[in-house]
Amino acid sequence: SQQGEEDPQALSIQEGENATMNCSYKTSINNLQWYRQNSGRGLVHLILIRSNEREKHSGRLRVTLDTSKKSSSLLITASRAADTASYFCATGQGAQKLVFGQGTRLTINP
Amino acid sequence: DAGVIQSPRHEVTEMGQEVTLRCKPISGHNSLFWYRQTMMRGLELLIYFNNNVPIDDSGMPEDRFSAKMPNASFSTLKIQPSEPRDSAVYFCASSTRRTMTNEKLFFGSGTQLSVL
Repeated sequence: SQQGEEDPQALSIQEGENATMNCSYKTSINNLQWYRQNSGRGLVHLILIRSNEREKHSGRLRVTLDTSKKSSSLLITASRAADTASYFCATGQGAQKLVFGQGTRLTINP
Repeated sequence: DAGVIQSPRHEVTEMGQEVTLRCKPISGHNSLFWYRQTMMRGLELLIYFNNNVPIDDSGMPEDRFSAKMPNASFSTLKIQPSEPRDSAVYFCASSTRRTMTNEKLFFGSGTQLSVL
């Protein structure tokens, strides 16, 4: 079974708005990563946050991690049509094993 | 850098046939992963290699699946015999293993497998 569970499963917003996606997991982790997948393509790494970090930024992306609640959130600010994709969280468990959630399908409406 | 290269991009075969999927990792990466993606089960880790050695194959669904990595620049995932329930997108990913913790993965474009 997948360790990370994203919420919501689907999200549709207007261009320019912010998009927030959440991820919950069950066991202790080394780090948590977020990936994007465009339709028909492979996954692309967005950002990695380690278990001893609480927040990380990369451009329009902001990731938070709350290990006490076993949850993470990905915020995309000032969304663009090109941000339309599926977003996955992946939890690092043990040496190298990355377990992916089911993903959030994000649609940005022009 | 050409990225992770997978072939074929699409494969359509009949039940019972042997299927071989191929992957060339990024040069210099010493870890390679095979994932399978379906609507029902999402992304599943099938097997991964470090320095060409299989480390964890607990995700391989059954004996019909086998994976090899004869050298640092090539890996295969074989299904024999194939069944309709094997239809999925199969991804190969590679990374550098610098520490004991997880590094980011670089994914190929995947092989869309359809077993009729």
